[in-house]
Amino acid sequence: EVQLVESGGGLVQPGRSLKLSCAASGFTFSNYGMAWVCQAPTKGLEWVASISTGGGNTYYRDSVKGRFTISRDNAKNTLYLQMDSLRSEDTATYYCARRRGYYDGTFYFDYWGQGVMVTVSS
Amino acid sequence: DVLMTQTPVSLPVSLGGQVSISCRSSQSLVHSDGNTYLHWYLQKPGQSPQLLIYRVSNRFSGVPDRFSGSGSGTDFTLKISRVEPEDLGVYYCLQSTHYTFGAGTKLELK
Repeated sequence: EVQLVESGGGLVQPGRSLKLSCAASGFTFSNYGMAWVCQAPTKGLEWVASISTGGGNTYYRDSVKGRFTISRDNAKNTLYLQMDSLRSEDTATYYCARRRGYYDGTFYFDYWGQGVMVTVSS
Repeated sequence: DVLMTQTPVSLPVSLGGQVSISCRSSQSLVHSDGNTYLHWYLQKPGQSPQLLIYRVSNRFSGVPDRFSGSGSGTDFTLKISRVEPEDLGVYYCLQSTHYTFGAGTKLELK
């Protein structure tokens, strides 16, 4: 059974940093691209960042470029999201998701974690 | 950027009934490989999203055949027949070009 378990969320002040983790199990982690998707309170879903199987290719939505860093450790079956210079508008539930597809323009997300809440407030 | 317009925003339904949700894109979603990458998700209350339909019309593992997807180019539809209580929640479409989600359609009881 595919399982994705996020951790690391919490309350943080604007301008500070937070690092999210996603522990994967039930599948061969190194064979799949991964992603983070967020959902602000009472809002819809927004893709945040993606990473290729080996970690060599990363992609970000414009609003987080230069502030967030997605990475992975295939030996530990773990996905990360380093969030720096946090803003109030980053407040959201962050989901880890497994990516399916073959090349650019074909990817979607087949399994999701339960999500972790990040609140940016003074 | 590709914009995704989902309608309706809210959709009252009676149990056992049938409903359709529309998702329209601002550009054709036909990829250069000839396939169309439009997908549907359901987010039940208090839960994370779950994949229902991938690539327009393919049901994901374990998804009942009450759910069906159709469409082409820029217009897509998710149909749910014989609605059951566990079908209630918010439905989202997703296009793969830039991972753009629709704003969601809330399926609720009349």
